[in-house]
Order: sequence, then C-alpha cells, then structure tokens
Amino acid sequence: SQTIHQWPATLVQPVGSPLSLECTVEGTSNPNLYWYRQAAGRGLQLLFYSVGIGQISSEVPQNLSASRPQDRQFILSSKKLLLSDSGFYLCAWGPGQSSYEQYFGPGTRLTVT
Amino acid sequence: AQSVAQPEDQVNVAEGNPLTVKCTYSVSGNPYLFWYVQYPNRGLQFLLKYITGDNLVKGSYGFEAEFNKSQTSFHLKKPSALVSDSALYFCAVRDADTGRRALTFGSGTRLQVQP
Repeated sequence: SQTIHQWPATLVQPVGSPLSLECTVEGTSNPNLYWYRQAAGRGLQLLFYSVGIGQISSEVPQNLSASRPQDRQFILSSKKLLLSDSGFYLCAWGPGQSSYEQYFGPGTRLTVT
Repeated sequence: AQSVAQPEDQVNVAEGNPLTVKCTYSVSGNPYLFWYVQYPNRGLQFLLKYITGDNLVKGSYGFEAEFNKSQTSFHLKKPSALVSDSALYFCAVRDADTGRRALTFGSGTRLQVQP
C-alpha cells in the first residue's frame, strides 16, 4: 500500500531564516505530487504541483519554491521566511496517469516568529 | 476557471440525526468531485468521489454524496450522525476536460455533532 510522509511535523523558524520541508511517497511510482498551504485551519491553497522529476508548476507567485529531485520526493523551500509564511503545509500525491483523488500527508505546522 | 462553494461555515446536528453538508461547484467542462475530512492538526482524509456513473456515491464511514448536474451540487450526507463525525469537511472539484490535475477546494464546513 502507499504511504506519504512529511517532516518535520512542526517547525518554528525566525523571520529571514531558510526553510526546507520534505515529502516522500512510498509504494507507488511516477506519482503526481502537490504542495498546499492551509491558513487559519480552513481553505487549502495549492502552491506547487509536479508531474515528474524536475517538473514543477507554480500556482501562485510567492516567497516559496519547490523541487523534485527524485521520483517520490518533493521539497518545499524558502531562502528567507516571512511572517506570512506561517501555516499548515500539506503534501499530497495522486496516481500518475488517471489522477483522480489525492492522498494527503500528515502535514507540517510552520510558525514564523 | 473552477471553483467550489461551501455556503455553511458550520453545521450542527444531534447524534443519530441525518446530516447534510452542502457543496456547489463551477467548472467549464465535466466535473470530478471529491469530499475530504480533516481532524484537528491532521492531514485530509479522502471520503468519496464522483467521476462518472451513478449520481449517488457511497464512501467511507457511512457517508454518501449525491451529484446533481442541473444544480451543480454535490452535497455530503449521512443517515445517522456520530459524535466522532465532528470534523472539518472539504469539497473539491477538478475539471475532467482539461489537463490540469490539481484540485480546487472549498473553504470547508465544520461539522459539530452533539451527543
């Protein structure tokens, strides 16, 4: 069966510091991968998605970037965090070809101080 | 563009009563529709989906949803609510006729089931 991991689970970082959040998927190959941010415990905002290694689509211009160095690894980064980057970051995967539902990881709670 | 509306921020029901969480959508083509549930500080869990076929789809934990094309709705239902159903529920849509694989989520509805 497939599983998705995110780490760290929680993170407190000062403004201006760098960020690296990691997401890995097990038990599947060539998944579509997604990064979402959830602010204030409500709506999800799609940040990035990837259909393959090195292929990243950005949904909104912002202080963040994403990379996919391996088939089942998706990394969310920032060079300098802003207060507004605080939130709950969720990684998700979907089957490669007939991508219907997405399956979410446990999330990372980021607090920028 | 695709969008989802969940008109109720919160729904309150008594345990044992039926529940409905409303969702309407907008897509230019045919919709793929989904419901997810989120418990506090957790990721989203997939409940059910409509892709094609029967308008009434059944999912996990006794939930079901009815696709209504004329009303562009996909309301989530359960015949008898449990206290453990209390959580945040999200409706999502994807346009089946575009190559875009990403889902668009509604703003969420908090379900509170009172004992």
